[in-house]
Amino acid sequence: DAGVIQSPRHEVTEMGQEVTLRCKPISGHDYLFWYRQTMMRGLELLIYFNNNVPIDDSGMPEDRFSAKMPNASFSTLKIQPSEPRDSAVYFCASRRAVSTEQYFGPGTRLTVT
Amino acid sequence: AQSVTQLDSHVSVSEGTPVLLRCNYSSSYSPSLFWYVQHPNKGPQLLLKYTSAATLVKGINGFEAEFKKSETSFHLTKPSAHMSDAAEYFCVVTPSFYNQGGKLIFGQGTELSVKP
Repeated sequence: DAGVIQSPRHEVTEMGQEVTLRCKPISGHDYLFWYRQTMMRGLELLIYFNNNVPIDDSGMPEDRFSAKMPNASFSTLKIQPSEPRDSAVYFCASRRAVSTEQYFGPGTRLTVT
Repeated sequence: AQSVTQLDSHVSVSEGTPVLLRCNYSSSYSPSLFWYVQHPNKGPQLLLKYTSAATLVKGINGFEAEFKKSETSFHLTKPSAHMSDAAEYFCVVTPSFYNQGGKLIFGQGTELSVKP
């Protein structure tokens, strides 16, 4: 099992540009979560999906952020337009419906200049 | 609302000495509690979990944690630290599993340093 796969691992972009982060969950997992990690705010849940349907997006900071899950094996987190304060490490995680354990990907380090 | 408070932002121990990382939780019902470990440039990994079974929970790499309801604590311990234990440790609580999708609420983390 390859685990949760995220791409790219690093992204450097200029303010105002669109950024798309990608995640492939573990096969067979029913839930997918997007987190953001910063020194100031720690690990924050942004949004999560159950069977490809967004369930709770209350953690999404503002309308510049959007997430989609078109099928069970792929999800994207998009920031448009990006701002320097969006600089963080973004993690994707997945889990089975019958388990409490979430499996995290290696993260995408985003730097917005 | 559920929350966790990690009482130390940084703990430093010598190799071979005991480790104690402290966590207090707040919950209106019996919670599910976890410890996750995060090594540099990696995602968090589950260390152990408590889900209302035995109050003493054993995890990977010799770590264990004890759920104490009277003290609302879930401290993480290890008898003898190893250099490879150096990492960030997160105490985590989950809201009502069946109503919240099992989403995790992370504490602020404790950085563990291990000196030779």
